Amino acid sequence: EVKLVESGGGLVQPGRSLKLSCAASGFSFNDYWMGWVRQAPGKGLEWIGEINQDSSTINYTPSLKDKFTISRDNAQNTLYLQMSKLGSEDTAIYYCARNLLYWGQGVMVTVSS
Amino acid sequence: DVVLTQTPVAQPVTLGDQASISCRSSQSLVHSNGNTYLEWYLQKPGQSPQLLIYKVSNRFSGVPDRFIGSGSGSDFTLKISRVEPEDLGVYYCFQATHDPYTFGAGTKLELK
Repeated sequence: EVKLVESGGGLVQPGRSLKLSCAASGFSFNDYWMGWVRQAPGKGLEWIGEINQDSSTINYTPSLKDKFTISRDNAQNTLYLQMSKLGSEDTAIYYCARNLLYWGQGVMVTVSS
Repeated sequence: DVVLTQTPVAQPVTLGDQASISCRSSQSLVHSNGNTYLEWYLQKPGQSPQLLIYKVSNRFSGVPDRFIGSGSGSDFTLKISRVEPEDLGVYYCFQATHDPYTFGAGTKLELK
């Protein structure tokens, strides 16, 4: 069974950084593109970006490219999202996904002082 | 960026009726490889999104055949025949043809 479990969310102050993790199991992690999507409270879905199997290609939505960094550790079957210079507009549920076919349950990030 | 415009914003339905959702793209979604990467997702209340349809008209594993995706170029439609209670939620179209990938704003399927 494909399982994706996000962690690392919580309350963070404006301007600070936060790193999310996504632990994958039930499939061969290093065979798949992985990605992140977020959803602000009461709003729609926003594609953040994706990373290929060997991390040689990483694509981002342009508005987040300078703030967010996607990485992966294939030995640990884990996907990461490093977020910096956080603002209130980054308050959202963050989902990791495998090819957007399989999704985690999401992790909440709240940016507030 | 490609803009996906979904209509209507909300679709009130009676159980057993058909529902139809439109997704129009600001540019053609035909990829240089000939494929059209237009997908449909359903997000039920309190849940993660789930893939229903990929490449315009292909149902993902386990998706009932009452979900029918169609369209081409920049004009796409999701039809749900005989709406059931578990079909209620917000539907999103998504394009993965042009970088950056983008979602539509969503259509809420709700009871009349």
